[in-house]
Amino acid sequence: AQSVTQLGSHVSVSEGALVLLRCNYSSSVPPYLFWYVQYPNQGLQLLLKYTSAATLVKGINGFEAEFKKSETSFHLTKPSAHMSDAAEYFCAVSEPLRGNEKLTFGTGTRLTIIP
Amino acid sequence: DGGITQSPKYLFRKEGQNVTLSCEQNLNHDAMYWYRQDPGQGLRLIYYSQIVNDFQKGDIAEGYSVSREKKESFPLTVTSAQKNPTAFYLCASSWASATDTQYFGPGTRLTVL
Repeated sequence: AQSVTQLGSHVSVSEGALVLLRCNYSSSVPPYLFWYVQYPNQGLQLLLKYTSAATLVKGINGFEAEFKKSETSFHLTKPSAHMSDAAEYFCAVSEPLRGNEKLTFGTGTRLTIIP
Repeated sequence: DGGITQSPKYLFRKEGQNVTLSCEQNLNHDAMYWYRQDPGQGLRLIYYSQIVNDFQKGDIAEGYSVSREKKESFPLTVTSAQKNPTAFYLCASSWASATDTQYFGPGTRLTVL
């Protein structure tokens, strides 16, 4: 069964520093992978999506993620953190080739930006 | 404006009562989903529907029911059988399946008094 593990439920970085949020997945077939962001008391918004094309995926707000099959990872990065990046981030996986229509989410990482 | 609306934003329920959460989308999406979000647990799928008049149970369907009589509407009823209903509920929609981007509504926070 597909699954996602997000290492670190809370991450704090200084404004202007590198943001690195970790995501490892488990899937028996080539997966689709997603990163979503959630601001307090709001729904989720898609940051970026991997669908077996380029392994480096660029998203909105300066975020990007790299698919590494050998490490089963899809870590999210941003070169320079901004105060507005403070939010909760969710990694998610689906298995289209198995006809699995469900999206499985990780438990989330709360990102705090230190002024 | 195209999007997904959920109502109400906050809902209070007494124990033993059924309550219905509304979800409407005007994106012309075929698929719709209901998730439950609890602190530290991420999002868990309750029910999903890929076409009108058809829906499937997700991972935590017990104590919930849904209907899909119209393409744009996917209401969720939290029944008295749900033992711990206090949570944040999120509705989402996508074109056809979970491989397509899911668009989320703003959520409904349900509190049992």
